Amino acid sequence: IAGITQAPTSQILAAGRRMTLRCTQDMRHNAMYWYRQDLGLGLRLIHYSNTAGTTGKGEVPDGYSVSRANTDDFPLTLASAVPSQTSVYFCASSDPPSGTGVYFGPGTRLTVL
Amino acid sequence: QQQVKQSPQSLIVQKGGISIINCAYENTAFDYFPWYQQFPGKGPALLIAIRPDVSEKKEGRFTISFNKSAKQFSLHIMDSQPGDSATYFCAASTFGDSWGKFQFGAGTQVVVTP
Repeated sequence: IAGITQAPTSQILAAGRRMTLRCTQDMRHNAMYWYRQDLGLGLRLIHYSNTAGTTGKGEVPDGYSVSRANTDDFPLTLASAVPSQTSVYFCASSDPPSGTGVYFGPGTRLTVL
Repeated sequence: QQQVKQSPQSLIVQKGGISIINCAYENTAFDYFPWYQQFPGKGPALLIAIRPDVSEKKEGRFTISFNKSAKQFSLHIMDSQPGDSATYFCAASTFGDSWGKFQFGAGTQVVVTP
């Protein structure tokens, strides 16, 4: 079934640890995104990639990094996790030239203690 | 500062009733306004979207009304069903390089009672 997969589903992490959230899509979409969802704030864009080999900063990029080595994968790394990074993280993808919607993955629930 | 303001925060409606969620935006460059539906434990799913060249778009029981001069848009859920109980997010973005880089509203939790 075509779509976006994210791993892990959930994680509890000690503050100061490094963590990589994985995201893979099989729709051959050029653009990919990472959002975080916090109660009362909706979803906020962390980083994005318009195409493989390029990345850009979103609204809340501090403390996060991304890479886009190929079309399908877009990992998000927390170099040194802090409690304020406790959130639900959603990966998304789209095919901008077609003007179709942005599709979201199932999310990763991350708790930083 | 949120560029898209959404209200109400929560909504309870009886089965068969109409649910109305409102959003207001600041940036006049926005030209794409989707609504997303999210069930607990799931990712948001695109429900319906509108461009500013039309004032209304209807898909089944879901209708977006758009008022460009007031910089407001709303989602109407007609004949609400218990299966519509979910959190709804409005969003805004522009086409071109900013495609997919949404500004989201804070969300509205809708509960439809039997």
